[in-house]
Amino acid sequence: GIQVEQSPPDLILQEGANSTLRCNFSDSVNNLQWFHQNPWGQLINLFYIPSGTKQNGRLSATTVATERYSLLYISSSQTTDSGVYFCAVEASGTYKYIFGTGTRLKVLA
Amino acid sequence: NAGVMQNPRHLVRRRGQEARLRCSPVKGHSHVYWYRQLPEEGLKFMVYLQKENIIDESGMPKERFSAEFPKEGPSILRIQQVVRGDSAAYFCASSPTGMDQPQHFGDGTRLSIL
Repeated sequence: GIQVEQSPPDLILQEGANSTLRCNFSDSVNNLQWFHQNPWGQLINLFYIPSGTKQNGRLSATTVATERYSLLYISSSQTTDSGVYFCAVEASGTYKYIFGTGTRLKVLA
Repeated sequence: NAGVMQNPRHLVRRRGQEARLRCSPVKGHSHVYWYRQLPEEGLKFMVYLQKENIIDESGMPKERFSAEFPKEGPSILRIQQVVRGDSAAYFCASSPTGMDQPQHFGDGTRLSIL
């Protein structure tokens, strides 16, 4: 089955810094979503982005489907950005999401 | 519009008891998915249901676990004779159709087994 790898596994930032999180996948995908799991365990949908680029405030994402990767950019990070960021993909011809192992982000005040 | 509603948020059971987790999808969504998240891990697919039908249960353990999505009412994930290893967060997601649609996730049910 499709493999989903995220990097880096852990990231510590000072408040105000920028960061880039990466998601590589091993096969073609129909769907790709980025999620933020906050310290209370809730999954917050950030982007639905099977291809192209989207922006929402301080966050933006780019998926290059032909090269099988997606990037999540966080600018001017805040302590509330702390948590785990997951990339999830739906392989072509399926309907179930395969989640990456996540990037655990900690933003220090 | 209400999102995916899961209840209870937290559930504590003793070993050998039954656990029932409920999921009400987004209004108008007829496709439901259940995922399980073990501590410090990502989410893993368990089962995909449409109204009154199980489409794919390949991620669900063969014993003790069952799921349904009746014509009326919420989807139910049922775990019989729970064991310590069932302690996890269980997330439900829904979509209006099957493939090529974003999945909307609920806040999960945290199951703890004493």
